[in-house]
Amino acid sequence: DSGVTQTPKHLITATGQRVTLRCSPRSGDLSVYWYQQSLDQGLQFLIHYYNGEERAKGNILERFSAQQFPDLHSELNLSSLELGDSALYFCASSEGTGDEQYFGPGTRLTVT
Amino acid sequence: GEDVEQSLFLSVREGDSSVINCTYTDSSSTYLYWYKQEPGAGLQLLTYIFSNMDMKQDQRLTVLLNKKDKHLSLRIADTQTGDSAIYFCAERTDYKLSFGAGTTVTVRA
Repeated sequence: DSGVTQTPKHLITATGQRVTLRCSPRSGDLSVYWYQQSLDQGLQFLIHYYNGEERAKGNILERFSAQQFPDLHSELNLSSLELGDSALYFCASSEGTGDEQYFGPGTRLTVT
Repeated sequence: GEDVEQSLFLSVREGDSSVINCTYTDSSSTYLYWYKQEPGAGLQLLTYIFSNMDMKQDQRLTVLLNKKDKHLSLRIADTQTGDSAIYFCAERTDYKLSFGAGTTVTVRA
């Protein structure tokens, strides 16, 4: 158990809908990262937050957004969902900005 | 840019050593990591090596880094059935990790 929690574990929704994925980092960690794992793209970095501020963006679609709250938990919002958004979404956390990243169990999103 | 490559499959007999190889392209990578993913689970950090090191040993795991060739390997000694999983190599540039496609290791009796 890495200490990073993610909810929900599974999510099934229809095209065009909007969902919110939630992540709680390990105690004491200030950084949160979001990654997408799909069969065709592999593991891709989406976005990084440090202590409430966005620090880096990767291959994140404009339909996707994230935020980190004062209590350091983070949410990833996915809107106007398409079939191709079906994937495992992982959250990771680290103490600072350059430390090793610990991953949560992931949220499996299925868009039908 | 970042591009991490790994062989896709490895089959090994129980008790033998496994060697998983990885190449990366970004010479500014500071740390290189090995993660393990079991079916239906998240990524477990196994070990990592700083880019100015050649080798790191941690119990059954040995990481070798050839910075000149941008080649990283993970050796698992005395491979057990519980080592069956997908192993990902990752390089860190700036604050993000770039992952390889993963090597599926199958341990046979």
